[in-house]
Amino acid sequence: GDSVTQMEGPVTLSEEAFLTINCTYTATGYPSLFWYVQYPGEGLQLLLKATKADDKGSNKGFEATYRKETTSFHLEKGSVQVSDSAVYFCALIPLSGTYKYIFGTGTRLKVLA
Amino acid sequence: EAGVTQFPSHSVIEKGQTVTLRCDPISGHDNLYWYRRVMGKEIKFLLHFVKESKQDESGMPNNRFLAERTGGTYSTLKVQPAELEDSGVYFCASSQEANQPQHFGDGTRLSIL
Repeated sequence: GDSVTQMEGPVTLSEEAFLTINCTYTATGYPSLFWYVQYPGEGLQLLLKATKADDKGSNKGFEATYRKETTSFHLEKGSVQVSDSAVYFCALIPLSGTYKYIFGTGTRLKVLA
Repeated sequence: EAGVTQFPSHSVIEKGQTVTLRCDPISGHDNLYWYRRVMGKEIKFLLHFVKESKQDESGMPNNRFLAERTGGTYSTLKVQPAELEDSGVYFCASSQEANQPQHFGDGTRLSIL
């Protein structure tokens, strides 16, 4: 069945470091791909999305490119801030006609000043 | 615009008791979803309402869980009787159209003792 695999955390970085959180997926066809973020004490917020191959989603300095060759959607940011500390979830919606998200396990990011 | 609202934010009950979680979607959103995250694992889909109808309930774990959405507005998720493995964070999400990104609430943390 469809699935999402994320790198295990926690990831600890210093402020202004480069961030990569890996995400790969298994799905039939070309699903829509998403990154959601959960800040401490809050709910999930959509960070960015991509709906077709080679699309690049971007928001708040974060980027992810839909790579069908490698079935990946890695999240990157050039310079992280303390305020980026959160749990990041990669997710997909399959093409099966249902609209349920399939999530990865989440990656906790901690940014130190 | 008010976001998705869930309450309570935290519930602690004993095994065998009954708990009811409530979700108020964004006004005008016909699509309402329930998910849960158990013990830091991936967030898993439970079910999807379109207005008051259950569109997909394939993720409901067993018949101790009952979801309703009378009138197509708010939804409740009842667990009766609660078991230890039901502990986790229950998220509700809504969207105006099924193919649009879902907006999540802050979740209800359910602890079964």
